[in-house]
Amino acid sequence: SQQGEEDPQALSIQEGENATMNCSYKTSINNLQWYRQNSGRGLVHLILIRSNEREKHSGRLRVTLDTSKKSSSLLITASRAADTASYFCATVRNSGNTPLVFGKGTRLSVIA
Amino acid sequence: ETGVTQTPRHLVMGMTNKKSLKCEQHLGHNAMYWYKQSAKKPLELMFVYSLEERVENNSVPSRFSPECPNSSHLFLHLHTLQPEDSALYLCASSQLIQGPPFFGPGTRLTVL
Repeated sequence: SQQGEEDPQALSIQEGENATMNCSYKTSINNLQWYRQNSGRGLVHLILIRSNEREKHSGRLRVTLDTSKKSSSLLITASRAADTASYFCATVRNSGNTPLVFGKGTRLSVIA
Repeated sequence: ETGVTQTPRHLVMGMTNKKSLKCEQHLGHNAMYWYKQSAKKPLELMFVYSLEERVENNSVPSRFSPECPNSSHLFLHLHTLQPEDSALYLCASSQLIQGPPFFGPGTRLTVL
């Protein structure tokens, strides 16, 4: 299976702390994407990092990609209670015209 | 709002009922998807349509029947479902199959 595997499955932090979530995958990829999902709602696209990129920033989000280790990390700095959600990584294979494959997600709880 | 709407937002049905889920995208995308999200499982890709043609069907039981009458609309027809089919059904669209999908809010389905 090519799906990403997020780690940890659940994370609980205090407001203001940084949150780091990791994702590992199995096959070579074209790009990797991170999504957020509030409870029972649709997924919201956060950031896309291509296979030839190593790091990307968007506001308080920082994503890294290590293709040699087939892993990515999502860092949320100065977390807020509103960041409480599930976070998913998803990958697009390098070959073929294939859609995203999602992992199980990390459940982040930010305590005020 | 992501430009992808789904109706109904909640649906309760018996195992002998026939119902349909509707998805509409206002983004001018040419690919549309149905995903199933069950508790504690990865998001499962069910169907992919590109330019109104089905390009992927991930071994989904025949009691789920998709329909894509045009590039803006996607339906999921349901009949003789099982209780284990209860889940959040998410529709998404993207400009290209490899592009980041935009998700609708989902339909919470309960099969009694």
